[in-house]
Amino acid sequence: DTGVSQNPRHKITKRGQNVTFRCDPISEHNRLYWYRQTLGQGPEFLTYFQNEAQLEKSRLLSDRFSAERPKGSFSTLEIQRTEQGDSAMYLCASSSLAGATYEQYFGPGTRLTVT
Amino acid sequence: GIQVEQSPPDLILQEGANSTLRCNFSDSVNNLQWFHQNPWGQLINLFYIPSGTKQNGRLSATTVATERYSLLYISSSQTTDSGVYFCAVERAGGGADGLTFGKGTHLIIQP
Repeated sequence: DTGVSQNPRHKITKRGQNVTFRCDPISEHNRLYWYRQTLGQGPEFLTYFQNEAQLEKSRLLSDRFSAERPKGSFSTLEIQRTEQGDSAMYLCASSSLAGATYEQYFGPGTRLTVT
Repeated sequence: GIQVEQSPPDLILQEGANSTLRCNFSDSVNNLQWFHQNPWGQLINLFYIPSGTKQNGRLSATTVATERYSLLYISSSQTTDSGVYFCAVERAGGGADGLTFGKGTHLIIQP
């Protein structure tokens, strides 16, 4: 069990550019979550997948954000036309329906800086 | 949505001291987790504890679900315990809302 991995770990981009992040969950975990964390705050929920189906989206997820999980394994989060307010740590988590718990495990995050 | 309040927001202790961190939440939950966030931003799972009591070494946690609070105890603090501790909950019967996090307790352990 290698844990949740995220790539890249850091991304610096200019305002207006598009960026894409990848998350690989723990193998056999069928639930995958994206969160965003800004400085000094706790993470905030963005969206959730069960297998390949996107089941929930927060109102924080504007039209410029899109997430996919095409085969129910890895997921991508794309931000189009980035703005300085998008600068944050983007965290991915996964959990398993198979167990008796809802425990989520987090990846190391992708830190986005928009200049 | 569900509200999560953590206290205290900041805590400075000497090495060897004990501490208690509190988490209050506003609704029934099916998931409550305590995390330690390290300086690189990684959230480290400490406890999954929607109810009851658990212990892991110098750390223990208790959740009283009927009264909607949880406590994290750290005994014999070490400098490596420094960092931000988050409580996060998921509302019971609310579908997939994801975890709602508190603002965290920033713990500094001085040598």
